[in-house]
Amino acid sequence: GAVVSQHPSRVICKSGTSVKIECRSLDFQATTMFWYRQFPKKSLMLMATSNEGSKATYEQGVEKDKFLINHASLTLSTLTVTSAHPEDSSFYICSATLDRGGEQYFGPGTRLTVT
Amino acid sequence: DAKTTQPPSMDCAEGRAANLPCNHSTISGNEYVYWYRQIHSQGPQYIIHGLKNNETNEMASLIITEDRKSSTLILPHATLRDTAVYYCIVDSGYALNFGKGTSLLVTP
Repeated sequence: GAVVSQHPSRVICKSGTSVKIECRSLDFQATTMFWYRQFPKKSLMLMATSNEGSKATYEQGVEKDKFLINHASLTLSTLTVTSAHPEDSSFYICSATLDRGGEQYFGPGTRLTVT
Repeated sequence: DAKTTQPPSMDCAEGRAANLPCNHSTISGNEYVYWYRQIHSQGPQYIIHGLKNNETNEMASLIITEDRKSSTLILPHATLRDTAVYYCIVDSGYALNFGKGTSLLVTP
């Protein structure tokens, strides 16, 4: 199946700093990428939908100025957590899809810890 | 997207079939039923999907009732590595709405 990678897999940062997470589709071009967040023992929550070359669509309650999403190419989307705080500590997961309605391929996730 | 209901947890003996039910009574005609699973601290993994016909692949079988209001994911010979949270999702072509899923524990 298609492969999606994320980098880094784990990151620890200090409160107030910014962290960038990359999501890459390795063997296919993804028209759409999604960003999810998962707190411990909770389900995945969609944060935003990202289409190449256009602005991301954020879910209600997700601050677009705090979680900056850039989808510069069909194989790369980045999520930047700006001015991170301890409550932003979470497991961030991206997924990519070839076309609308198709199956989604998930990355392995990035565990962010803000101290 | 239609909402799904799954039991919070299930146990299954290794080597036996695991049958995971899902109710999606408000599903509409163009919505697919998708199943994903998530092993602890990993990204979700696609398992199978279907519209109205039963489907089978190398991982599992998906049985969808004729009225499409419920479905069952079948792992024919569960192994310890199948221990995971299984999500049944009804999707109309947008982002996936993950519910709480079923935590499947496969025991030796």
